[in-house]
Amino acid sequence: GDSVTQTEGQVTVSESKSLIINCTYSATSIAYPNLFWYVRYPGEGLQLLLKVITAGQKGSSRGFEATYNKETTSFHLQKASVQESDSAVYYCALSDMPNYNVLYFGSGTKLTVEP
Amino acid sequence: DAGVTQTPRHEVAEKGQTIILKCEPVSGHNDLFWYRQTKIQGLELLSYFRSKSLMEDGGAFKDRFKAEMLNSSFSTLKIQPTEPKDSAVYLCASRAWGNTGQLYFGEGSKLTVL
Repeated sequence: GDSVTQTEGQVTVSESKSLIINCTYSATSIAYPNLFWYVRYPGEGLQLLLKVITAGQKGSSRGFEATYNKETTSFHLQKASVQESDSAVYYCALSDMPNYNVLYFGSGTKLTVEP
Repeated sequence: DAGVTQTPRHEVAEKGQTIILKCEPVSGHNDLFWYRQTKIQGLELLSYFRSKSLMEDGGAFKDRFKAEMLNSSFSTLKIQPTEPKDSAVYLCASRAWGNTGQLYFGEGSKLTVL
């Protein structure tokens, strides 16, 4: 079945440094899946950060970027300069045929930004 | 507008008990999802409803987990009987019709089974 892999369970980065959170996916259909990043800030519900539905395209939001790479089946999340307020848990997710309505999530990466 | 509301926020149960978790989706949303969240597995799909009809249920959760949508503004997740391995955060999410991907999540119900 469809699956999403996030290799790092926790990442710690110093403020103003760059960040990359890895995400790779496996899709069973021949059509390309839709890819998403969701984020959960402390004390809040999980919310959509960005999404990309076309292979080769880049999504961006709040200074974060992710590029849909179908060759490497990856959708890594990057930010050039993190802030303390970015500390949160980040989830990569996909939806795929035959049911694009259902999202499948990775195990999450907890980001801690140190001052 | 109110977001997704889940109750209770915390639940402690003895092994073998029956627990019911509740969810009120965003008003007007047609899709409702239940997920189980653990540190190891991340988010696992339990159930998906569209306009109150069950569209998909997680195969691994069928025997003791039952989600229902009694009306368009209320859903329950029953776990019967509970086991210690059910300890997790249970998340409810809703989505407007035709808006693929934009899920609105509640803060979750944290279940601890002793």
